[in-house]
Amino acid sequence: AQSVAQPEDQVNVAEGNPLTVKCTYSVSGNPYLFWYVQYPNRGLQFLLKYITGDNLVKGSYGFEAEFNKSQTSFHLKKPSALVSDSALYFCAVRDSSYKLIFGSGTRLLVRP
Amino acid sequence: GAGVSQSPSNKVTEKGKDVELRCDPISGHTALYWYRQSLGQGLEFLIYFQGNSAPDKSGLPSDRFSAERTGGSVSTLTIQRTQQEDSAVYLCASSLGQYNEKLFFGSGTQLSVL
Repeated sequence: AQSVAQPEDQVNVAEGNPLTVKCTYSVSGNPYLFWYVQYPNRGLQFLLKYITGDNLVKGSYGFEAEFNKSQTSFHLKKPSALVSDSALYFCAVRDSSYKLIFGSGTRLLVRP
Repeated sequence: GAGVSQSPSNKVTEKGKDVELRCDPISGHTALYWYRQSLGQGLEFLIYFQGNSAPDKSGLPSDRFSAERTGGSVSTLTIQRTQQEDSAVYLCASSLGQYNEKLFFGSGTQLSVL
């Protein structure tokens, strides 16, 4: 069965520094991978997706994610973090019946 | 409305009571999902409707949980004989179709079972 793992419950980073939120996946066949973000008191929002093509996928708010097939990873990255990026981030994979399976989430805290 | 609407936003109930949670998806979206988000936990898949196909109920945690989607639009999630472990935020999402993975989420229903 398709699954994703987010090994970090929380990531702390200083404003202006690069950030990485980790995600690894387990799928049979080609992976369809996603990142969603949940800002405080707001609903979940789509950030980006990888279906095929370039391993570096660009998304909303300056975020990007790098697909690495050999390491079965899909880490979320941003070159320079903002305090407003503080939120809960979820990695997800599409399974064979087309529904999305989400990871446990990683809380990102960007300190000023 | 412009987005996915869920009601009520908060529901407090007593253990053993039945509850109904409602979701109005974005007009024209054929796929509808229910997820559960417990404190400190990730998003747990519950059920998925796609068009007129039989729903994928593989995530429902027990037979106390059921959901229906009338006319391919509004969906109701019903929890019978609620238990304290059912306390969570229940999230609904919709998307344009089976192959469109950009889900639009509602704000959720916070369910508290006393």
